[in-house]
Amino acid sequence: AQSVTQPDIHITVSEGASLELRCNYSYGATPYLFWYVQSPGQGLQLLLKYFSGDTLVQGIKGFEAEFKRSQSSFNLRKPSVHWSDAAEYFCAVGGNQGGKLIFGQGTELSVKP
Amino acid sequence: GAVVSQHPSRVICKSGTSVKIECRSLDFQATTMFWYRQFPKQSLMLMATSNEGSKATYEQGVEKDKFLINHASLTLSTLTVTSAHPEDSSFYICSAPYGGGGRVDTQYFGPGTRLTVL
Repeated sequence: AQSVTQPDIHITVSEGASLELRCNYSYGATPYLFWYVQSPGQGLQLLLKYFSGDTLVQGIKGFEAEFKRSQSSFNLRKPSVHWSDAAEYFCAVGGNQGGKLIFGQGTELSVKP
Repeated sequence: GAVVSQHPSRVICKSGTSVKIECRSLDFQATTMFWYRQFPKQSLMLMATSNEGSKATYEQGVEKDKFLINHASLTLSTLTVTSAHPEDSSFYICSAPYGGGGRVDTQYFGPGTRLTVL
């Protein structure tokens, strides 16, 4: 079955600390992987994506993610979190380019001053 | 580029009425758009795929007669919630794929529509 798992429902980090949000996927074909961020009452903004090539991808707002095929993971990282990073983060996987996405449950990030 | 808009952003209606939500790709064309529903503190659930020039494809469990989808042009898809009831209250989000350079590889999302049915 195709699925995305984000094991952490809620994470709290201190401002300036590093961050890692976990994402594991199950997909029968070559996965196209995405991280999106959602602020309350808003749509989703694309942070970064992986289709092929270099397994470490850089995104906007200082985020990066690493694709590990052997672990079926695509974890999101940021070296120093800012208070404005507090939001809901979704990992998603898709197949055919531009096709429908399967989303994880989301991880809510809170940032302590 | 790759901006998707939705209208209205919020709508409140009485039970039994119908509500139309528009999704537009502002600076690109989209032969396919997707409609999602999101409950509070939950993930996005795909409702249907909107196809320009043909019928929408609905996910299992989604009532096609209740959630009417029309892909009127290459930049506009509409979702009509017919005979709305309080349980239809939710956050509805659309997306459209775009990649630039002739590619179509990434979903871009609208800002969402908050529907409240009284």
